[in-house]
Amino acid sequence: GESVGLHLPTLSVQEGDNSIINCAYSNSASDYFIWYKQESGKGPQFIIDIRSNMDKRQGQRVTVLLNKTVKHLSLQIAATQPGDSAVYFCAENIHDASGGGADGLTFGKGTHLIIQP
Amino acid sequence: GAGVSQSPSNKVTEKGKDVELRCDPISGHTALYWYRQSLGQGLEFLIYFQGNSAPDKSGLPSDRFSAERTGGSVSTLTIQRTQQEDSAVYLCASSLFGRNTGELFFGEGSRLTVL
Repeated sequence: GESVGLHLPTLSVQEGDNSIINCAYSNSASDYFIWYKQESGKGPQFIIDIRSNMDKRQGQRVTVLLNKTVKHLSLQIAATQPGDSAVYFCAENIHDASGGGADGLTFGKGTHLIIQP
Repeated sequence: GAGVSQSPSNKVTEKGKDVELRCDPISGHTALYWYRQSLGQGLEFLIYFQGNSAPDKSGLPSDRFSAERTGGSVSTLTIQRTQQEDSAVYLCASSLFGRNTGELFFGEGSRLTVL
């Protein structure tokens, strides 16, 4: 079936540099996308979301970009800090307007962001 | 506490035994979800509860898995006759509204090891 996937399982960046984590999705019916951060031993935490009627959304030090033409989602983290070290998951939400229950979040496998001093 | 609470945090069991995992969602959250996370993998949807509606059980991998949500609050995920492939972290999440809002609040998970 269609699913969300990640380009890289591990991304290593220098502290202070910007990080870009990529995600590809295949379901054109997806209308809502979310990034979660999961630190070791903890549950995922919501970072930022974006709806399909937007191309870009900014938060504090994070930006999410959505390219619907190529079905690509990215998370940019500015001035990466040691506390950013975690696994980052993208998730897509396929809204089933019929109410048949097919909607809901589908998560990718995640990218492990490693911060080098 | 103010967050989603799960217990036990760790459970080691023998193959063939039954296990129960508990989730206490954030007070007032109407939606509750169970996900499974195997080592190095993403989150696999298991089941979704929304208010008094019939749960969406479409993610349960087999009939050995079941879940209840009593009184619209606490939920229990039960795995009968556990198998080694059931070993994973079981994550519970809740949200204030329905499943399309996106922002789920996760607990820290219950790590299940089946020997």
